[in-house]
Amino acid sequence: EPEVTQTPSHQVTQMGQEVILRCVPISNHLYFYWYRQILGQKVEFLVSFYNNEISEKSEIFDDQFSVERPDGSNFTLKIRSTKLEDSAMYFCASRGWPSPLHFGNGTRLTVT
Amino acid sequence: ILNVEQSPQSLHVQEGDSTNFTCSFPSSNFYALHWYRWETAKSPEALFVMTLNGDEKKKGRISATLNTKEGYSYLYIKGSQPEDSATYLCAFYNTGNQFYFGTGTSLTVIP
Repeated sequence: EPEVTQTPSHQVTQMGQEVILRCVPISNHLYFYWYRQILGQKVEFLVSFYNNEISEKSEIFDDQFSVERPDGSNFTLKIRSTKLEDSAMYFCASRGWPSPLHFGNGTRLTVT
Repeated sequence: ILNVEQSPQSLHVQEGDSTNFTCSFPSSNFYALHWYRWETAKSPEALFVMTLNGDEKKKGRISATLNTKEGYSYLYIKGSQPEDSATYLCAFYNTGNQFYFGTGTSLTVIP
């Protein structure tokens, strides 16, 4: 069964550094999402992406965040200048229509 | 702020017991309600997609019901097994194409 894959599984970075989290969605899916879960808290929506542009974004998704689909297969989340509070599990998800979300295994981001 | 509430937050049951938990969501702008199962060290996996008021879905020993008018869904597990231990997440999908997740119910089935 096709899967959503995320790399790396764990990323450690220093505060102020830029990180790029990578996702390969399921190939025939059209909708792409990033979520995050801070330890002990609920899963939070960051951004959705459709037709090569952002369709929705949350208040969390401020100017330090950006998403890209650089080559038609990868879907990346860039955090420009990381803060301690960005430490979380970041999940990529994709779906077709009208299927449920298919999640990747997540990237654990630790900002020190 | 849109609230999706799940209760209880955690639950311990004996193997063989049946159990159920609740997801509450806004009754306006409803499009669909999803249930996901999230095992430790894995990613969430879809269990059910429910769209119609009165929907009832079943997968093996797990079933779910939906009431969109009053804004709740129940998930039932019959004869719980240790492998059912996981966090069960519901997600409210609105007409604005956004998913809102509940905090989850953590189920532990004791052998």
